[in-house]
Order: sequence, then C-alpha cells, then structure tokens
Amino acid sequence: GAVVSQHPSRVICKSGTSVKIECRSLDFQATTMFWYRQFPKKSLMLMATSNEGSKATYEQGVEKDKFLINHASLTLSTLTVTSAHPEDSSFYICSAVPQARGYTFGSGTRLTVV
Amino acid sequence: KQEVTQIPAALSVPEGENLVLNCSFTDSAIYNLQWFRQDPGKGLTSLLLIQSSQREQTSGRLNASLDKSSGRSTLYIAASQPGDSATYLCAVYPGSSGSARQLTFGSGTQLTVLP
Repeated sequence: GAVVSQHPSRVICKSGTSVKIECRSLDFQATTMFWYRQFPKKSLMLMATSNEGSKATYEQGVEKDKFLINHASLTLSTLTVTSAHPEDSSFYICSAVPQARGYTFGSGTRLTVV
Repeated sequence: KQEVTQIPAALSVPEGENLVLNCSFTDSAIYNLQWFRQDPGKGLTSLLLIQSSQREQTSGRLNASLDKSSGRSTLYIAASQPGDSATYLCAVYPGSSGSARQLTFGSGTQLTVLP
C-alpha cells in the first residue's frame, strides 16, 4: 500500500515548450504533496508544497510562474515546467505522506531540455 | 535552520561486511527520522521510519537507531550484498508546526558492495 505514481519517468522537450509532470497517490488521499528537484549527485531540494484546493507554497528562490503546480483533487498534483530551458533539465520527484507511514516518493521524472 | 549531515559521502566494502552509515542533525527538536534508498535515476524507497519517541527500528538486515539528544542516527546493514549498492539518504521531519511535514535531507552516502 501507500504508492505514489509519477509520470512520465523521462521526457525530452525543446527549449521554450512546457512540460507537465503528474503525481498520483494510488491508494490513499493526499491533501498535501511535495515537489523536489535533484541535481546530479546532490540531495533533494524542496521546491514547493502542493495543497489540494488551494495555492501551492513555494520555497525561496523557486519561481512560481516557471513551475506551475496544480492540486485539483485529493489524489493528483501536477507540476508544469513552463517555457523550459536547458537549465531546467533535472530530476524531479514528488512525495506524499500516507497517514503515520512516513513519506512515500514517486519514481521521479528525468527532464531533459534540448 | 535544520542541517543534516551524512558521513561518509561514499563507501565501498566487500560483500558480507557489516557496515554503519551515519546521519547527524543540528536541531534535536525533530518529529521523525526516515532512511531512504535511491538507486541511480530512480525515486526514493523508504527503508525505515523512526518516530521521535522510538530509539530504533529494524527491518530484515537493516537496523536504524535514533539518539535525539545527541542529534544522531545510524543505519546498520548486516551481511552486505551487491544488491545493497545504492545511495542512502536520511531525512528528518521538523518538530515545529510552522514547517511540519517538510523533510530536510542529508546529502547521502553512496554505497558500493563489491562481489
């Protein structure tokens, strides 16, 4: 139980286009989900906290207009990288917290902007 | 601000060895501590969750301990196997309600178990 599904696992896009990443909680409801970014050989950096039915909370230095987050239901949060540039290439991971079970992470999305 | 440090950054051991990974944190007012495993290009897999009231948790060949007062946790891996090769991350949950449920990660220990 307590599975978080993230899609797609890999995406290559052209510079200037937008990419949407989905994060779903499969067997539990998640009023809150978290989006992280990971640079090569580095740990995870929290980008934003996604709140169901309300605006996301962004960490300092993260552009909310660049990284659009929508949490329209209790099982789905989406991260859209708008007008992507090569420097946005990274590994993006979402997570949620099934009650009393600790954090559960998605399998991650490798974004490459060419 | 909470800071989490993991030592060593990388570790290479022969198969069969018992090993210890270390995690330290600066603010002892934590809620929980969680150990994860990350394989290259993959997401994180939860290994063990230790609640602040607990001192250790065990799962198979893994044992994690927590000493809040000294700001330390260790992950003990018994009889290591090549399949244990991965990056191991520890993360703490802050205890303050203002930033509850936001993990602070260590930088990880990259483990290689040689056959």
